Amino acid sequence: EAGVTQSPTHLIKTRGQQATLRCSPISGHTSVYWYQQALGLGLQFLLWYDEGEERNRGNFPPRFSGRQFPNYSSELNVNALELEDSALYLCASSPGRQNTEAFFGQGTRLTVV
Amino acid sequence: GNSVTQMEGPVTLSEEAFLTINCTYTATGYPSLFWYVQYPGEGLQLLLKATKADDKGSNKGFEATYRKETTSFHLEKGSVQVSDSAVYFCALSDPQAGTALIFGKGTTLSVSS
Repeated sequence: EAGVTQSPTHLIKTRGQQATLRCSPISGHTSVYWYQQALGLGLQFLLWYDEGEERNRGNFPPRFSGRQFPNYSSELNVNALELEDSALYLCASSPGRQNTEAFFGQGTRLTVV
Repeated sequence: GNSVTQMEGPVTLSEEAFLTINCTYTATGYPSLFWYVQYPGEGLQLLLKATKADDKGSNKGFEATYRKETTSFHLEKGSVQVSDSAVYFCALSDPQAGTALIFGKGTTLSVSS
């Protein structure tokens, strides 16, 4: 069974540009979570989608947004990139809203120059 | 609000030493508690979990007991190996309260032979 897959693995963008990160959950999982792992800051919760709806949002500015598609895959969009957005972005999935045993992908390393 | 506090690292031990990584939490409801591990260059993996008070999670020789009275979920292992060197994250979730996984800042463990 395939695990959580994220693409691309690495992404280099220029300050002010937009980045789009993608995540495919484990088959049958309806919940998708996004986290930012910046150096020295641990894992910061970004967004939680379940059944196509946004369930919760972390303390990030509105230029961080996302969506979940009918097949439960998800996109994270970061607009007006800033240097501080450079981080590892991790996606996780779980079987449903009440089951939060989450399985993580390998992440997308975003570098803003 | 919900939060997780972990002991500061890094923790440096010799092989076969006893390991304790402290974790305390603050939650408004009845959260589930988790330990995740991140090996160098890899994504996060679920190590163990406990879903209610007095539950003990265990895996690969690691154990943690959900202590409601002290709001703690300390990770222990009786005899660490070099292969246990990784970053360990304590986390909680409270889906009833609409809370996705919230992580502590992580504790780096280095085990030398």
